[in-house]
Parts: sequence; C-alpha cells; structure tokens
Amino acid sequence: DQQVKQNSPSLSVQEGRISILNCDYTNSMFDYFLWYKKYPAEGPTFLISISSIKDKNEDGRFTVFLNKSAKHLSLHIVPSQPGDSAVYFCAGISGTYKYIFGTGTRLKVLA
Amino acid sequence: SQTIHQWPATLVQPVGSPLSLECTVEGTSNPNLYWYRQAAGRGLQLLFYSVGIGQISSEVPQNLSASRPQDRQFILSSKKLLLSDSGFYLCAWSDTSYEQYFGPGTRLTVT
Repeated sequence: DQQVKQNSPSLSVQEGRISILNCDYTNSMFDYFLWYKKYPAEGPTFLISISSIKDKNEDGRFTVFLNKSAKHLSLHIVPSQPGDSAVYFCAGISGTYKYIFGTGTRLKVLA
Repeated sequence: SQTIHQWPATLVQPVGSPLSLECTVEGTSNPNLYWYRQAAGRGLQLLFYSVGIGQISSEVPQNLSASRPQDRQFILSSKKLLLSDSGFYLCAWSDTSYEQYFGPGTRLTVT
C-alpha cells in the first residue's frame, strides 16, 4: 500500500519558469509533510516542510501547498534554475518516527 | 554542528555473503536513527528506526537486521545477502524536530 504517491516520475521545465511537483497521500493521520531534494549518489537534503494545520509554507523560491480535503500537496519552485535539477521526494509523517516517502519525481531544468 | 557518516560508500558483495554497514552521528545526543533503502526506480523505503540504544523497530520483514550498540552508532547487517538486497542504503537521524538529516549513502551491489 503506497501511502504517498508521486505520479509523475519526471518533469522538464525551462529555466526561469515555474516547476510544480505533485504528491498525493492516502493516510489522513499524517500530521506533517516534508520535501527533500536528492542528487545522484548523495543523501537527500531537506528542502521545506508544512504542518497539516497549514495550507501554505514559503521559503524563498520554494512554496509548498497543502490541500487536506484532496489529500494533495505540491511544491512550487519559482523561478526554476538549472541547479534545481534533481529528484524530489515528498514524505508524510505519522506520529514521531514513521516517515513515508513517495517514489520521487526527477526534475530537469533546461537552460 | 551535526554530521552523519556512512561507510563504505560503495560495496560489491556476492550472494550469500554477510553485510555490515555502519553509520555514526556527531554533534548531537540521543538522536532517532533510521535506515532506508532506495532500490532502482523506487522511493525511499524505511527499513529500521531506533529511538535509543538497543531499541530497534523493523518496518519491513527481510533478511536484514539493525543494531544500535552506542548512542550515535547504527549498524545494518545481514548474514546472507540476496540479489534483491542491491540498492542505495541511507542512514538518517532526527532530533525533536520533524526534519531528518541523511548521510551520503552506500551503494550496495550484490552479484
């Protein structure tokens, strides 16, 4: 049972435009969500998070939106830069320790 | 500041051989520790987590085991590797916040 789904395995965006990465979840008990960025052969690095009681969190070029009724969250990157090219994982947290990650979306920003 | 180390970085092992991957964290006390695996084309799968010395929770039944002999040391082991154990293994830690911090990972190839 995949509780966190990232249905788009890849996405290509032109430099300077908006990148929108989507994530759907089924577990209504998730109380926190995070986005991670991962380069090949490296560990993921934390990007941005959102509490389930919020619907938006913004940090510089990165904004995460949460729609609880639709069980959907999205990460917006504006403007996209070539250095943003990486695999992006969303994760839901149930309780304190149980992190459930999605399968990831590979973003390619074209110069 | 906190740092997390994993070794080895890459490993090629024959089927049926034992495995020992080590993870250590510096700069923090009593962290929560995690082992994940990223198999080809798949997301991050939580294998084990630990909230203290000697306390291990297993998320996925398999031929892997984990141990935490010291506060900041987490070891992933197997007595006999299978081909399906190939993947990218990541150690992570967290404290009282929701963010997890990942190590650089170990690329394991079972031949």
